Amino acid sequence: DAKTTQPPSMDCAEGRAANLPCNHSTISGNEYVYWYRQIHSQGPQYIIHGLKNNETNEMASLIITEDRKSSTLILPHATLRDTAVYYCIVNRYAGGTSYGKLTFGQGTILTVHP
Amino acid sequence: EAGVTQSPTHLIKTRGQQATLRCSPISGHTSVYWYQQALGLGLQFLLWYDEGEERNRGNFPPRFSGRQFPNYSSELNVNALELEDSALYLCASSLAGPNTEAFFGQGTRLTVV
Repeated sequence: DAKTTQPPSMDCAEGRAANLPCNHSTISGNEYVYWYRQIHSQGPQYIIHGLKNNETNEMASLIITEDRKSSTLILPHATLRDTAVYYCIVNRYAGGTSYGKLTFGQGTILTVHP
Repeated sequence: EAGVTQSPTHLIKTRGQQATLRCSPISGHTSVYWYQQALGLGLQFLLWYDEGEERNRGNFPPRFSGRQFPNYSSELNVNALELEDSALYLCASSLAGPNTEAFFGQGTRLTVV
């Protein structure tokens, strides 16, 4: 699996944009970038994923650099309910031992302050 | 539309017993994944089932096993329970193939005493 590197923690003021970075410098061409978040003791919640184009949905935007070695998850207007652990994951679907599974790292603890 | 449902929500067993955890995927999803999350630790991949077959397995001993039924629901069995098996067990489901997202249930909290 391509490894990901995320800052262990970040703070954000309520109402401001939260920009969460992720480095995945060893990503290969057939690996997708996924973002999930986990609020304390709940199951992880899917946020967004992409291959090489930027993506946007009702929750967030995903910006992937042209060389695909890093990405940024953007929560445009953070609320207190966005406080959670955010996981950046790369996933391969072309076979191998990583096939079909999501490998979670330690993630980034995002704390949104009033 | 119902999400991924897991049962029971909490389970208490004694060391040496067997535990059975159940998962119902989102309707139409054929892949089911199991993860273990011990207290304060990250999610560890356990098993992946698709179309009734085990497709991938994480680094867990053979006493962790499971199966997927024809209706795509799944069961995780943990034999000879040990204290360190106490954890939140999470199930996720997805459509098969690339470019698909997996959705998680709320988990089963297993406590081994």
